[in-house]
Amino acid sequence: SQTIHQWPATLVQPVGSPLSLECTVEGTSNPNLYWYRQAAGRGLQLLFYSVGIGQISSEVPQNLSASRPQDRQFILSSKKLLLSDSGFYLCAWSHPRTGLREQYFGPGTRLTVT
Amino acid sequence: QKEVEQDPGPLSVPEGAIVSLNCTYSNSAFQYFMWYRQYSRKGPELLMYTYSSGNKEDGRFTAQVDKSSKYISLFIRDSQPSDSATYLCAMINTGNQFYFGTGTSLTVIP
Repeated sequence: SQTIHQWPATLVQPVGSPLSLECTVEGTSNPNLYWYRQAAGRGLQLLFYSVGIGQISSEVPQNLSASRPQDRQFILSSKKLLLSDSGFYLCAWSHPRTGLREQYFGPGTRLTVT
Repeated sequence: QKEVEQDPGPLSVPEGAIVSLNCTYSNSAFQYFMWYRQYSRKGPELLMYTYSSGNKEDGRFTAQVDKSSKYISLFIRDSQPSDSATYLCAMINTGNQFYFGTGTSLTVIP
């Protein structure tokens, strides 16, 4: 069966510090991978998605970037965090055949920028 | 106007009640409709998805889509305390754009 991991689970970082969140998927090959942010009282906002190694699409302009160095690894980064980057970050995967309609989410990382 | 509207609640019901959760949307180009359940401080979990109009049933859960009214519903029969969570609707349009509702918080009281 497939599993998705995210770490760390929680993170408190000062404004201006760098960020690296990691997501890995097990039990599947060539998954589509997604990064979302969920702010309190708001829906999930799609930040990035990837259909293959090195292929990253950005949905919204922001202070963040994403990379996919390996087939089942997806990394969310920032060089300098802003207060507005606080939120719950979720990684998700889907099979290329089913795409967006069957996404499976990881446990999330709660980021607080102070 | 938001693409997808969902009443945030909170909704509180007694155990065993039938729960109705709803979303409305504005764009008639939506064709896939999903429901996710999210427990506190966890990632969302896909419950089911439907394509176009009609009903889909999975155990105690029934998803219903009314494209003429641009309205979707999730019904939970015989609700249990373990159903207490936030329920998110989501939709995909013909351009493969994806939208989530903001979620409805549900509490089932034993």
